[in-house]
Amino acid sequence: NAGVTQTPKFQVLKTGQSMTLQCAQDMNHEYMSWYRQDPGMGLRLIHYSVGAGITDQGEVPNGYNVSRSTTEDFPLRLLSAAPSQTSVYFCASQDPSFTEAFFGQGTRLTVV
Amino acid sequence: AQSVSQHNHHVILSEAASLELGCNYSYGGTVNLFWYVQYPGQHLQLLLKYFSGDPLVKGIKGFEAEFIKSKFSFNLRKPSVQWSDTAEYFCAGREGNTPLVFGKGTRLSVIA
Repeated sequence: NAGVTQTPKFQVLKTGQSMTLQCAQDMNHEYMSWYRQDPGMGLRLIHYSVGAGITDQGEVPNGYNVSRSTTEDFPLRLLSAAPSQTSVYFCASQDPSFTEAFFGQGTRLTVV
Repeated sequence: AQSVSQHNHHVILSEAASLELGCNYSYGGTVNLFWYVQYPGQHLQLLLKYFSGDPLVKGIKGFEAEFIKSKFSFNLRKPSVQWSDTAEYFCAGREGNTPLVFGKGTRLSVIA
């Protein structure tokens, strides 16, 4: 049982490039979310989804897009990377009773 | 807005010292509270959670937390820390089906 899988683990982008961070879970959870982690800022919510076809913005959504075409996958797209998006990104899914959030291993993104 | 605040940015303790990390929340209704730990280079792992019932919650690795509604607090405690407890600790909260909101984290360094 893989849980929440994120790819890639590391990525370096040039300013202006676009890319997609992948997130997949095999626990059949409806609720998924993306956070970014920056030193001294904790984890801040970017976007979340309560089920296939439904997404909503979190605290820091600017510069990011998401879609949820299946229960399993919740990709995060950076439209035009900026140095301010240098961060560690975590994907999470929650069980139906919301008793726990399960996190992926994270993607460390550097934008130069 | 709903928020979670952690009082200490960095705590340094000697091995066998007692630990208490502060966490306050601003939710007005029924709140679910969590403590997560992040060891260096790893993803977040759940230490313990509070949903209802006994306000003293016991978690893994000897950690416990006490929910004090009158103080809007959910402090994390451990009677005797070990070097292996060196990590970053995050308090998080949620009300109903809303996304998890994290505090900014407390870095714990345990020295011999």
